[in-house]
Amino acid sequence: AQSVTQLDSQVPVFEEAPVELRCNYSSSVSVYLFWYVQYPNQGLQLLLKYLSGSTLVKGINGFEAEFNKSQTSFHLRKPSVHISDTAEYFCAVSGTDSWGKLQFGAGTQVVVTP
Amino acid sequence: DAEITQSPRHKITETGRQVTLACHQTWNHNNMFWYRQDLGHGLRLIHYSYGVQDTNKGEVSDGYSVSRSNTEDLPLTLESAASSQTSVYFCASSGNGQQFFGPGTRLTVL
Repeated sequence: AQSVTQLDSQVPVFEEAPVELRCNYSSSVSVYLFWYVQYPNQGLQLLLKYLSGSTLVKGINGFEAEFNKSQTSFHLRKPSVHISDTAEYFCAVSGTDSWGKLQFGAGTQVVVTP
Repeated sequence: DAEITQSPRHKITETGRQVTLACHQTWNHNNMFWYRQDLGHGLRLIHYSYGVQDTNKGEVSDGYSVSRSNTEDLPLTLESAASSQTSVYFCASSGNGQQFFGPGTRLTVL
C-alpha cells in the first residue's frame, strides 16, 4: 500500500515569484508518481508524471518535479508563477504493480496575488 | 476523439434512496476507477475494475457498489444514500500508459 503527504495545505505566492509544493510518499513497492492540478469547479488535469528514467520531470505550463528516491519525495516547482496558476494541486502515487490505482495527497491550495 | 464522460453532472437526492452514477469511456481502457473528493482528504478510491466482470473494493467502499458488464462502462451505485455521501465523484480510466479523469458528478444527499 502507498500513502502520500503534502506538507503544505495552502501556499500564498506573489506573481512572478517561484513556488515549490512539497510531496512525500511511502510505499512497500516501486512507484509511479504524479502531479495533478484542479482549477475551481473543474476536473483534474495531469501536470506531469514520473514513470522511470530521468528523475527530473518536466510538465505542462512550466512546471517540473524531481523524484528523490532516498528521501521518498516528489516536489513540484515553477520558477515564475502567473495569476492563472491559482488552483489546487494534488500529488498522487501508484504502485508499479497497480497502474492507475492512485493514492492522493490532501492537496495544496496555491493562491497567486499581484 | 476518445473521451470519458459522467452523468449526471449534478444530482440532489434524499437519504435512503438508491442512486446510480454513470461513467462511460471510449478509450477502450481495461482499468476503471471511482474516487470521491472531499475537502481536506483529496481524492479517495471507492471501487475499481481491471476488466469485464472484475471489481475490487477501494479505501472507502462501504455503502457503494459497482458492476462491469462491458469495457466502456462502470456505474457506481449508492444502495441507500446517506448524508455522508455528499461529495464530488470522479471516474477515471487508464491503460497503455495513459490515464484520464471524467469531469465529475456533484452529489448532494439531503
